Amino acid sequence: KAGVTQTPRYLIKTRGQQVTLSCSPISGHRSVSWYQQTPGQGLQFLFEYFSETQRNKGNFPGRFSGRQFSNSRSEMNVSTLELGDSALYLCASSPSGGRIDEQYFGPGTRLTVT
Amino acid sequence: AQKITQTQPGMFVQEKEAVTLDCTYDTSDPSYGLFWYKQPSSGEMIFLIYQGSYDQQNATEGRYSLNFQKARKSANLVISASQLGDSAMYFCAMREGWGAGTALIFGKGTTLSVSS
Repeated sequence: KAGVTQTPRYLIKTRGQQVTLSCSPISGHRSVSWYQQTPGQGLQFLFEYFSETQRNKGNFPGRFSGRQFSNSRSEMNVSTLELGDSALYLCASSPSGGRIDEQYFGPGTRLTVT
Repeated sequence: AQKITQTQPGMFVQEKEAVTLDCTYDTSDPSYGLFWYKQPSSGEMIFLIYQGSYDQQNATEGRYSLNFQKARKSANLVISASQLGDSAMYFCAMREGWGAGTALIFGKGTTLSVSS
């Protein structure tokens, strides 16, 4: 079974631009979560989608948004990029997002904002 | 207050030795799950082991075992017979409650270095 894939793997953007990251979950998984990882803040939860609905959201500004398509693929968008948005963005999928579900992570997208 | 605390920023061990990575957690929810992930320098998070709050026995997965002490709120990862490929960052994480869609809360991580 193919793992979680994320595209692109690396991205360089300029402050003020917007960016869209993509995540394809493991086949059959319906829950997709996004995390931001930075050296200072560590791993922080952004949001979780299940069946095209956002079920949970972390404490991030409205510039961070996401969506999920009917095939469970998910995208996250960051508008008006700031230098502090430079991070590794990790996507994780699980069958249903339940408490005991393991989350399988993708390789991440490393975003650099200059 | 931090929900997941990993007090060891870095650990060093020789090949074939066992190593324990510490993790303490804080929650008032009786239902929770504890996870350990490994993150090599490539960046991908690799699931290692899971322990549920109601599980009576400590979880084991191959060379990995979880030393779960509920009263002390501790969930230490034990790696037996370390290998060079175990060198990576290790994260302890928790998910609270029965609700679906709840987030994984991660600790700051411990860097493990295995030498020959």
